[in-house]
Amino acid sequence: GAGVSQSPSNKVTEKGKDVELRCDPISGHTALYWYRQSLGQGLEFLIYFQGNSAPDKSGLPSDRFSAERTGGSVSTLTIQRTQQEDSAVYLCASSLEGFYGYTFGSGTRLTVV
Amino acid sequence: AQKVTQAQTEISVVEKEDVTLDCVYETRDTTYYLFWYKQPPSGELVFLIRRNSFDEQNEISGRYSWNFQKSTSSFNFTITASQVVDSAVYFCALSEAGFQKLVFGTGTRLLVSP
Repeated sequence: GAGVSQSPSNKVTEKGKDVELRCDPISGHTALYWYRQSLGQGLEFLIYFQGNSAPDKSGLPSDRFSAERTGGSVSTLTIQRTQQEDSAVYLCASSLEGFYGYTFGSGTRLTVV
Repeated sequence: AQKVTQAQTEISVVEKEDVTLDCVYETRDTTYYLFWYKQPPSGELVFLIRRNSFDEQNEISGRYSWNFQKSTSSFNFTITASQVVDSAVYFCALSEAGFQKLVFGTGTRLLVSP
């Protein structure tokens, strides 16, 4: 597509439920990134994919967080047993091979109640 | 360790004023990349510029200009003749060579009033 697409744009979930956030990168972009933006923490790196593999998942805050990427394209970020501190905007970005700066999506605003 | 500091939390100016957003970074690498992103109220982060550590030339793009000074570890961003549409949060970010992740500053909110 023309840009990075994320869905849903907004998600409200009850504490303890699992959620899945989806990212469709720009066609042909081999690298995909997940970031989290919250009031107290600013923009935090979560995980980076090159193709379908994740050479750097150092930013995932706990084992409740996982992500996968299939076909070198769509990625899903899953948060299990959501907690209130997981409330944030989850941003996805993609880039061409090499590192020329990302293109970000509009994000998914997750609210855990 | 990498760190980016944007000491200005919020700046308010009147249209047509010039404004400079400060960015100071820390890194142990000699090869690194610096970025500026704009986040308007719509929320999407918009890429503005990428600069590598070996290129200290200042850059100008329309009303935007960037001043990169390795001696002071700073990469400041100036908007000349600001406009209301420039109102946004601006983030400075750093990436070390070989690492794909960006480390962001906390952002500076710029409010341009008519």
